[in-house]
Amino acid sequence: KQEVTQIPAALSVPEGENLVLNCSFTDSAIYNLQWFRQDPGKGLTSLLLIQSSQREQTSGRLNASLDKSSGRSTLYIAASQPGDSATYLCAVRTESGGSYIPTFGRGTSLIVHP
Amino acid sequence: DTGVSQNPRHKITKRGQNVTFRCDPISEHNRLYWYRQTLGQGPEFLTYFQNEAQLEKSRLLSDRFSAERPKGSFSTLEIQRTEQGDSAMYLCASSLLDPNSPLHFGNGTRLTVT
Repeated sequence: KQEVTQIPAALSVPEGENLVLNCSFTDSAIYNLQWFRQDPGKGLTSLLLIQSSQREQTSGRLNASLDKSSGRSTLYIAASQPGDSATYLCAVRTESGGSYIPTFGRGTSLIVHP
Repeated sequence: DTGVSQNPRHKITKRGQNVTFRCDPISEHNRLYWYRQTLGQGPEFLTYFQNEAQLEKSRLLSDRFSAERPKGSFSTLEIQRTEQGDSAMYLCASSLLDPNSPLHFGNGTRLTVT
C-alpha cells in the first residue's frame, strides 16, 4: 500500500525567502506525482505534475523535482510572497488494477509573513 | 472549460438524515474520484469511476455510502443515516483517461452533522 509523507507539517517564513517542501512515498512504482495548493475551505488547485520518466518541472517561481528511486519529491518556491500562504499537498499516482488512484500526503501548511 | 463543479457548497444536517452531493466533472474527463478530507488531513480516497463504471471503493466507504455516475457524466454521493463522524469536506476530482493527465478538483461540499 502506497504511503505518502510530507515534511515539514508546518512552516512560517518571512517574505522573500526561498523554501523547500518535501514529499516522500514508499512504493517507487509510480506513474506520476502531482503538487497541489489548497486555500482554507477550498478545493485543491493543481500546481505541477511530474511524470515518472521526468526529473523536474517548472512553473514560474515553482520548481518540482522527482527522484523516483529514492521515493522523494521536493517543491521549491523561490522568493516567497504572502500570497503563497496555503497548504501544499503532494499526490502520488500508482497503478492498481488499471485504476491509478492518487494517494495524498497530509500536506505542509505554509505561512509567509510580510 | 468550466472546471469541476460541486453542489451544494455547504450542508448542515441532523444525525440520522440522508444527504446527497453532486459533482459535475470537466466534460471530456472519463475518470472521476471522490475523496473525503477532515481538518489537518490530506484527502482520503472513497471511490472511483471510469465513465459510468464504479471500479474502486475504499474500505472507508461503509454500507451507508453509495455513489453513482449514470451515463458517465455527473456523479452523486449519498450518505444514509448520517453520523457525526461523517462531518468532513467531500471533494470530487476528474481527469482524462491517460493516467499521466493531471487531476482537477472541485471546491468541495462541506458537510456538518449535528
